Amino acid sequence: AQSVSQHNHHVILSEAASLELGCNYSYGGTVNLFWYVQYPGQHLQLLLKYFSGDPLVKGIKGFEAEFIKSKFSFNLRKPSVQWSDTAEYFCAVIFAGGTSYGKLTFGQGTILTVHP
Amino acid sequence: NAGVTQTPKFQVLKTGQSMTLQCAQDMNHNSMYWYRQDPGMGLRLIYYSASEGTTDKGEVPNGYNVSRLNKREFSLRLESAAPSQTSVYFCASLGGGNQPQHFGDGTRLSIL
Repeated sequence: AQSVSQHNHHVILSEAASLELGCNYSYGGTVNLFWYVQYPGQHLQLLLKYFSGDPLVKGIKGFEAEFIKSKFSFNLRKPSVQWSDTAEYFCAVIFAGGTSYGKLTFGQGTILTVHP
Repeated sequence: NAGVTQTPKFQVLKTGQSMTLQCAQDMNHNSMYWYRQDPGMGLRLIYYSASEGTTDKGEVPNGYNVSRLNKREFSLRLESAAPSQTSVYFCASLGGGNQPQHFGDGTRLSIL
């Protein structure tokens, strides 16, 4: 079965540090890729998405992600984190095909804590 | 524009009680989804409805039923709640094309 893996469960950084969160998936076909953020007590918000085209995707709040097809990866990056980036981050994938119906498969989530 | 609205926001049940979680979207989306979120496991798909009149099982459907009442509404029912169903439940909708799913605010459900 197709799966999505986020290898870092909890990442702790100081403000201004650079961030990279890993995401890998297991599927050799066409994929649609997403990163969502969930602030404490809130619903999921879309950070960025990739469907096709330029594999380097820029999202909101200064985040970006790079799709590397050969590595089945879609890592999330931010050059300089802020305390307000403290949240849980989810990678999600649509394994596109005839009957995907837009169903999302999520990674386990990475909790990011940023210290002032 | 409310987007995806879930009710209730919080609920406590006793084991064996039944409960229906409501979800409605006002974006004229065709597809709707129910997920549960558990610590360390991300979100897992319970059921989905690709279009009005159709429903299908997702990854973790056991213990749940759904109804796509019309294009706007997609409800999730627990017939006999179990402690293992303690979770946060999210409803989402999708309009199609290269668009992301839109999520509701979630329902936090505790079963004692």
